[in-house]
Amino acid sequence: EDQVTQSPEALRLQEGESSSLNCSYTVSGLRGLFWYRQDPGKGPEFLFTLYSAGEEKEKERLKATLTKKESFLHITAPKPEDSATYLCAVQVGNTPLVFGKGTRLSVIA
Amino acid sequence: DADVTQTPRNRITKTGKRIMLECSQTKGHDRMYWYRQDPGLGLRLIYYSFDVKDINKGEISDGYSVSRQAQAKFSLSLESAIPNQTALYFCATSERKTGPGELFFGEGSRLTVL
Repeated sequence: EDQVTQSPEALRLQEGESSSLNCSYTVSGLRGLFWYRQDPGKGPEFLFTLYSAGEEKEKERLKATLTKKESFLHITAPKPEDSATYLCAVQVGNTPLVFGKGTRLSVIA
Repeated sequence: DADVTQTPRNRITKTGKRIMLECSQTKGHDRMYWYRQDPGLGLRLIYYSFDVKDINKGEISDGYSVSRQAQAKFSLSLESAIPNQTALYFCATSERKTGPGELFFGEGSRLTVL
């Protein structure tokens, strides 16, 4: 069965303390890997799509990378406004996304 | 105004009652989805529709039904609500050309079944 596992479940960082979130997947025929950000009480918001191993995407302090078995979301010099839950999801063929359980990030000033 | 609108935003109901959650979108997207989010379980797919005449079951469709009334409207029904259907429900849309990957979510409908 396809599976998406995110780690850690929760991460607490000081402002400016860089770190990475992990998303490992076991699927056949990956079509794309997606990262979303979710603020409390809101719907998830799309961040990145990665299609092939070696691909990287960047947006402000976030950089997403992809290998054949996992993806990392690197956060450089985070700020309190980066606090949110980050969701990873995979797409196989033309079927809807399968989401991981998310990593809850807290950035303390 | 939000591109994907869900109503109601909050609802408290009793076991056995019929509940409908509604979703409408102004993005012009063909594809619409209903997800459920529970603490510790993440987002799970209930039903999805790739166009008006297409309805598909997701991972956890038991106890739910849907109706795609128009391209812009997709409703989720709980025929006889039970307490373990207490959750946060999200509607989402995507374009045909980008496939089901880049989803646009509504603000969510929080349902409590007593």
